[in-house]
Amino acid sequence: GAGVSQTPSNKVTEKGKYVELRCDPISGHTALYWYRQSLGQGPEFLIYFQGTGAADDSGLPNDRFFAVRPEGSVSTLKIQRTERGDSAVYLCASSPSTSGGAYEQFFGPGTRLTVL
Amino acid sequence: AQSVAQPEDQVNVAEGNPLTVKCTYSVSGNPYLFWYVQYPNRGLQFLLKYITGDNLVKGSYGFEAEFNKSQTSFHLKKPSALVSDSALYFCAVRDILEAGTALIFGKGTTLSVSS
Repeated sequence: GAGVSQTPSNKVTEKGKYVELRCDPISGHTALYWYRQSLGQGPEFLIYFQGTGAADDSGLPNDRFFAVRPEGSVSTLKIQRTERGDSAVYLCASSPSTSGGAYEQFFGPGTRLTVL
Repeated sequence: AQSVAQPEDQVNVAEGNPLTVKCTYSVSGNPYLFWYVQYPNRGLQFLLKYITGDNLVKGSYGFEAEFNKSQTSFHLKKPSALVSDSALYFCAVRDILEAGTALIFGKGTTLSVSS
């Protein structure tokens, strides 16, 4: 079956611009997570959704970052007024449920964002 | 607060030899533990997890990991390494008392298997 997909695979933008990153989770997965991975580091949590609602957005670094999941499937991570420090690989993951926390997360290939 | 430590940035091993990639963790309650592998320009792939029960967990591609509660460790092992095992490995933890929250990842260990 299809895995988690993310578009675009690469995004180059200029400082100050607005970007949107898209994630298509595995069909039927209710939980969706966004992570950010900087060079030489492990993924760092940004936000997670249970269905349509953001259940935990404590990892978002500031109010320039926002994410939505309006129909409980596809999610979009939005970054306003991008800064060079936002350059990283943005990973999306999904899992069948957050219930019990024992499910592994299935990751997409990521979007590499470069802010010039 | 939850945390994961992978004390080795890189592990080098010859093909056919056993390999170990170390991981220690810190959680308030009991842990769920995971290992993922990342190949260049690809997403993280799930290898195995410890939830409960037998401390020795077997996963994909011949990998296994041993949960040691007293040492708060979850080291990844394989009896005989392959060149194709060369990749970046991440250990991750979630406190079962905080089920539903995200995984906390270590910084990763690069495994290099030489022929």
